[in-house]
Amino acid sequence: NAGVMQNPRHLVRRRGQEARLRCSPMKGHSHVYWYRQLPEEGLKFMVYLQKENIIDESGMPKERFSAEFPKEGPSILRIQQVVRGDSAAYFCASATSRAYEQYFGPGTRLTVT
Amino acid sequence: GQQVMQIPQYQHVQEGEDFTTYCNSSTTLSNIQWYKQRPGGHPVFLIQLVKSGEVKKQKRLTFQFGEAKKNSSLHITATQTTDVGTYFCAGHGGADGLTFGKGTHLIIQP
Repeated sequence: NAGVMQNPRHLVRRRGQEARLRCSPMKGHSHVYWYRQLPEEGLKFMVYLQKENIIDESGMPKERFSAEFPKEGPSILRIQQVVRGDSAAYFCASATSRAYEQYFGPGTRLTVT
Repeated sequence: GQQVMQIPQYQHVQEGEDFTTYCNSSTTLSNIQWYKQRPGGHPVFLIQLVKSGEVKKQKRLTFQFGEAKKNSSLHITATQTTDVGTYFCAGHGGADGLTFGKGTHLIIQP
């Protein structure tokens, strides 16, 4: 049973470009979470999705950031017009239910130049 | 909003010494989870505590959940070099996402 997959593992974007981060949850998991982590910092919750629905996006900036989890295919975190401050590791996690343990993917390290 | 605080931020120990990290929430939690992240790696789930006053053990690791369900601790007995990493607590309060503490970085000197 494959774990949570994220791609790309490393992404370099120039300021103003778009970044698309993909997350495939574990088989049988319908709950997906996205987190952002800065160096030496904890994980900051961004958004919680179930298939085709955003359940909680209270941690996501209202501008430039969006997330989706379509009926078919991976969950996608999209950052438009990236700025240097967006450089971070973005982790996706999946779970079978809201309050259950979360399984994390290897993360996408985004660098904005 | 809910805040989860962890102390200490860094802990240096000699191999074989014990280690404890403490976690405090500003609000009552429905459950608390602990994760470990190795340098350059991703968080890995360790355990979940749900009941008030609950204590769980995993080999040399002991996890406690406070009676008021607002604090928790992780204690490692006789640390080994494989214990190196950052230990995070994370709480489920009212929001749907987990609120993570900033973590305790465990550094072990052989």
